[in-house]
Amino acid sequence: NAGVTQTPKFQVLKTGQSMTLQCAQDMNHEYMSWYRQDPGMGLRLIHYSVGAGITDQGEVPNGYNVSRSTTEDFPLRLLSAAPSQTSVYFCASRSWSTGTHTSSGQYFGPGTRLTVT
Amino acid sequence: KNEVEQSPQNLTAQEGEFITINCSYSVGISALHWLQQHPGGGIVSLFMLSSGKKKHGRLIATINIQEKHSSLHITASHPRDSAVYICAVNRGQGAQKLVFGQGTRLTINP
Repeated sequence: NAGVTQTPKFQVLKTGQSMTLQCAQDMNHEYMSWYRQDPGMGLRLIHYSVGAGITDQGEVPNGYNVSRSTTEDFPLRLLSAAPSQTSVYFCASRSWSTGTHTSSGQYFGPGTRLTVT
Repeated sequence: KNEVEQSPQNLTAQEGEFITINCSYSVGISALHWLQQHPGGGIVSLFMLSSGKKKHGRLIATINIQEKHSSLHITASHPRDSAVYICAVNRGQGAQKLVFGQGTRLTINP
């Protein structure tokens, strides 16, 4: 299994440009989510999905759109990039059942470092 | 005030020392998570707890629901344990969304 993959790893945008951050998982997980991580603020939830066709807003959804047309993919769209969206973005997935995991069974992608100038 | 507070924010110790990182939360939760973020940025889920204690290798996580407090312990610490340790909670019953603490940066010197 590749786990959770994210592309690109790095991206520089100009203010007003749009782009899509890609996220895919091959573990057939139902739950997927997008977070941003900013210095001194910890991780914050942007959007999440509990299954194909179902998405909902997290703590900081403004300026971002998501869709979940398949179980595997959960892209994050920046509609009109702003310098305040400069951050590191993480995608994560998990199954409803944690089985015998000591952990939550939640898997994180490697992150995308986005800079908006 | 953040709903999830960690202490200390930074911790430096010598190899072999016993490490304790604390997490306090102010809301009702269904589960608490400990995550590890390596210097390269990757995040790994270590533990999910709803009661009691869990152990994995040299790592031990405990939770006291009445006191709204959890601790992460590392025994026989090693430089490779150097990372940011993050506490997060599922707020409320049945909630899947996570609320995160700001993290504790741990440095273990050889």
